[in-house]
Amino acid sequence: DAGITQSPRHKVTETGTPVTLRCHQTENHRYMYWYRQDPGHGLRLIHYSYGVKDTDKGEVSDGYSVSRSKTEDFLLTLESATSSQTSVYFCAISEPIAGLGTDTQYFGPGTRLTVL
Amino acid sequence: GQSLEQPSEVTAVEGAIVQINCTYQTSGFYGLSWYQQHDGGAPTFLSYNGLDGLEETGRFSSFLSRSDSYGYLLLQELQMKDSASYFCAVGGGGNKLTFGTGTQLKVEL
Repeated sequence: DAGITQSPRHKVTETGTPVTLRCHQTENHRYMYWYRQDPGHGLRLIHYSYGVKDTDKGEVSDGYSVSRSKTEDFLLTLESATSSQTSVYFCAISEPIAGLGTDTQYFGPGTRLTVL
Repeated sequence: GQSLEQPSEVTAVEGAIVQINCTYQTSGFYGLSWYQQHDGGAPTFLSYNGLDGLEETGRFSSFLSRSDSYGYLLLQELQMKDSASYFCAVGGGGNKLTFGTGTQLKVEL
């Protein structure tokens, strides 16, 4: 358990409404990530952060924005939700693998978002 | 960019051995990882290969050949609880990972 929580865990919203998902971590990890998971596509990176106020785009960033004003919180915002953004959203942190000299990623429990 | 290919589905019987292959094309390579995901759950880290060869962790082993851009996950003594999706992922620098589309493993009695 890498101390990652996501909220809400489930959300149903309507097309055109703004939505913010929150990822919270308790272990002072520098790197945080937002992914979406859809059938047939695996996990795709939306945005990531390498420190407070330091963020960058992933491969599917259109329609999404992020903010990180504190180390522990990484927010994902859908400014105007569309049905194509119906998905499961996972937050992740990067943590060293003991004895291997590299990092891997640990995932939060996910948020299931439905846009009607 | 990065792309990975793995079979979409594999079926095996309890107690058997199964191999899940992963081929990749990358512009930079920082190791091959494997993740397991049960239905409704989050992906969990299984193994990592940074160098060529075999890494063993209990019933699971993972192999990498960088010259062939190929790796596999080997699961031995299959159990029903191993039914899950398995993802390979390559590191491409900047602490980022690119994931394959996943292999759904079904273990039957």
